[in-house]
Amino acid sequence: AQSVTQPDIHITVSEGASLELRCNYSYGATPYLFWYVQSPGQGLQLLLKYFSGDTLVQGIKGFEAEFKRSQSSFNLRKPSVHWSDAAEYFCAVGGTGNQFYFGTGTSLTVIP
Amino acid sequence: SAVISQKPSRDICQRGTSLTIQCQVDSQVTMMFWYRQQPGQSLTLIATANQGSEATYESGFVIDKFPISRPNLTFSTLTVSNMSPEDSSIYLCSVSRLRGGAFFGQGTRLTVV
Repeated sequence: AQSVTQPDIHITVSEGASLELRCNYSYGATPYLFWYVQSPGQGLQLLLKYFSGDTLVQGIKGFEAEFKRSQSSFNLRKPSVHWSDAAEYFCAVGGTGNQFYFGTGTSLTVIP
Repeated sequence: SAVISQKPSRDICQRGTSLTIQCQVDSQVTMMFWYRQQPGQSLTLIATANQGSEATYESGFVIDKFPISRPNLTFSTLTVSNMSPEDSSIYLCSVSRLRGGAFFGQGTRLTVV
């Protein structure tokens, strides 16, 4: 069965520091992987996606993620965090029937 | 992509009553999905709504509590019936393209008092 694990419930980083949010997935075939961001009181916005090709994918707002099949991971990174990046981040895997399975989310706090 | 309009955006309801949430998509889609996001938690799929057939419910969700309508390829409703405070959540409508990702409405923030 498909599942997604985000081991970090909450992360705090200083503005300007680098960021890495972890995501591990369980899926039988080649996964379709996604990262979403949810700002307070807002809906979910797609940051980036992977389904084939180059394992390093670029997204919006300066985010990137790397697919590592051997580690079943799809970690999200950003070289320099901005205060506006404070939000909840969800990793998701797309399954059969166009269903999506979401991780429990990582809450990001950015301190000045 | 897809533009999804969901309403109401928020509501405060008395326990024991029901609320119907509407979801309108700007293009025809075969499947629409309803999720629940409880406070501080991730998204849980409630059901998948196909046009012309009964909705398919995930484990832990039943039709009597969450009846769904799907009258055409651009519209769906979710009703939260006989509400209790435990139903206080954000309810999200979604459509998806497997390679494109899932797209969400802004959600309905429900508070049951």
